[in-house]
Amino acid sequence: GAVVSQHPSWVICKSGTSVKIECRSLDFQATTMFWYRQFPKQSLMLMATSNEGSKATYEQGVEKDKFLINHASLTLSTLTVTSAHPEDSSFYICSASLPGQGSYNEQFFGPGTRLTVL
Amino acid sequence: GNSVTQMEGPVTLSEEAFLTINCTYTATGYPSLFWYVQYPGEGLQLLLKATKADDKGSNKGFEATYRKETTSFHLEKGSVQVSDSAVYFCALTSLTQKLVFGQGTRLTINP
Repeated sequence: GAVVSQHPSWVICKSGTSVKIECRSLDFQATTMFWYRQFPKQSLMLMATSNEGSKATYEQGVEKDKFLINHASLTLSTLTVTSAHPEDSSFYICSASLPGQGSYNEQFFGPGTRLTVL
Repeated sequence: GNSVTQMEGPVTLSEEAFLTINCTYTATGYPSLFWYVQYPGEGLQLLLKATKADDKGSNKGFEATYRKETTSFHLEKGSVQVSDSAVYFCALTSLTQKLVFGQGTRLTINP
């Protein structure tokens, strides 16, 4: 259980176009989903936190008009990279939070989406 | 702010060797500590966790002890296998529920 999928797994696009990445929790309802970015040989950096039915909360330095996040249902969040440029090329990973006991809600991670902007 | 520092990789070991991957942290309050593993082509998976000082997390032969006095959470395994080859991330979370990751350590086990 607690499986998270992402689609597509990889995408190549031309500079100036927009790309949408989907994150789905397949067997549970996630009130909170997270979007991370991972540069080669580097760690995951949190981009934003999205809660179902409300606006996403972006981390400092992340352009919300550039990275549009929509959490339309308890099982789906989307990240749209608008007017993509080569510097947006990266590995994007989502996670979905499953409420648990105690103070920590475990996050389950998707397999990631490799974006290459030409 | 909160931060996690991991031992730099890559780490290459022979099968059945002893593994240690160092992890230290800086945090306010009382964070929960985690080790995640990322196998090739897959998403991150929670390997083990510890939520308070002196707790020991363990799973699949891996262990890590939450040491508040040294702000450390080192990952150990007594005898590694080829199937343990992966990237390992140390992480913490506190009241905000946001995960802060270390830079990751790539582990390769040779038969």
